[in-house]
Amino acid sequence: GNSVTQMEGPVTLSEEAFLTINCTYTATGYPSLFWYVQYPGEGLQLLLKATKADDKGSNKGFEATYRKETTSFHLEKGSVQVSDSAVYFCALSPYGSSNTGKLIFGQGTTLQVKP
Amino acid sequence: NAGVTQTPKFQVLKTGQSMTLQCAQDMNHEYMSWYRQDPGMGLRLIHYSVGAGITDQGEVPNGYNVSRSTTEDFPLRLLSAAPSQTSVYFCASSYSRQMNYGYTFGSGTRLTVV
Repeated sequence: GNSVTQMEGPVTLSEEAFLTINCTYTATGYPSLFWYVQYPGEGLQLLLKATKADDKGSNKGFEATYRKETTSFHLEKGSVQVSDSAVYFCALSPYGSSNTGKLIFGQGTTLQVKP
Repeated sequence: NAGVTQTPKFQVLKTGQSMTLQCAQDMNHEYMSWYRQDPGMGLRLIHYSVGAGITDQGEVPNGYNVSRSTTEDFPLRLLSAAPSQTSVYFCASSYSRQMNYGYTFGSGTRLTVV
């Protein structure tokens, strides 16, 4: 079946450090992949997405590349800020006939950035 | 532009009580869904709808009912609340099931069942 696995958190970094949050997936065909961010007390917001292999999604300094060969979609940012502290969710949307619009989420990774 | 509006934001129920969580969107989105968020488990799909009059079960539907009489509204009903339903509930909508546009989420309802 379809599933998403994220690295365990929490992740604690100093401001301006490099960020990587690992995400791997299991799916048939070519799913669409997403990163969502949830700030404290709020709902999830779409951060970036990629809909086919080798696509790179980017937004607000964050990037993730759709790697079909390693079934991965790791989130990266070159220099984090305190305001990036949040919970980050990797998600996939199944491909083709199995795509009923459902999103399958990873368990979330909490990022805390200290000044 | 309100997006997806959920009410109430907080609710405490006693075991066995029933209630309805409201969700409304003003973006003319075809697809709507309900998720629950529990610590360490990400978000799990409860029910979804691909258009007015059409609903289907997600991953964890037991104990919940939904209906979609209009494009805008997608309420979630708890028939007889149980402590296991203590969670944060999110409603989400999308332009289409193709998901190319991702989801728009509401701000959530935090439910406690005692």
